[in-house]
Amino acid sequence: DVKVTQSSRYLVKRTGEKVFLECVQDMDHENMFWYRQDPGLGLRLIYFSYDVKMKEKGDIPEGYSVSREKKERFSLILESASTNQTSMYLCASSRNTEAFFGQGTRLTVV
Amino acid sequence: GQQVMQIPQYQHVQEGEDFTTYCNSSTTLSNIQWYKQRPGGHPVFLIQLVKSGEVKKQKRLTFQFGEAKKNSSLHITATQTTDVGTYFCAGRGGSQGNLIFGKGTKLSVKP
Repeated sequence: DVKVTQSSRYLVKRTGEKVFLECVQDMDHENMFWYRQDPGLGLRLIYFSYDVKMKEKGDIPEGYSVSREKKERFSLILESASTNQTSMYLCASSRNTEAFFGQGTRLTVV
Repeated sequence: GQQVMQIPQYQHVQEGEDFTTYCNSSTTLSNIQWYKQRPGGHPVFLIQLVKSGEVKKQKRLTFQFGEAKKNSSLHITATQTTDVGTYFCAGRGGSQGNLIFGKGTKLSVKP
């Protein structure tokens, strides 16, 4: 059974904190993605990676960075969390066809 | 950059009525995918269309890919309460495989 695992289901952080969201996949996929999902805005691509140590900006990369040191792990970093980064964060991985999503991390920045 | 537009944003139907959601891309797509997200869940892959003019069916769901590979539709015949959720299209355009999602159509079905 294929699996994409996000480290936390719910997270509450303070403004200004550095936040790490971790995502691990066990399918040996090359491509990994980070999206945020907000009501009425759908899924917006933050960053994606098509190989180890490779990263590409998506539509809304500002305020975020990513790290892909190993093929199975893709980390999203909020350098200094702000309240407008309160959202549902979804990680996904794929080879060349379907994307598999993790369960999501509901992040609240207070 | 590449944009994928999806309409309508919401659709409320009576059980048994049909439902259609439409997806349009600003650029030609190499393929298009459709996903369903149940309330409280994460998006789950339904299908991928690759060829120009392609039509695929899954039971009551019919998926089409336009001739120019810039638009697509999902049609559900005789909706059921189990069809409730948000339907997303997602396009691949770039050579590096980035996957851009539409905003989704949230379907509610009244029994």
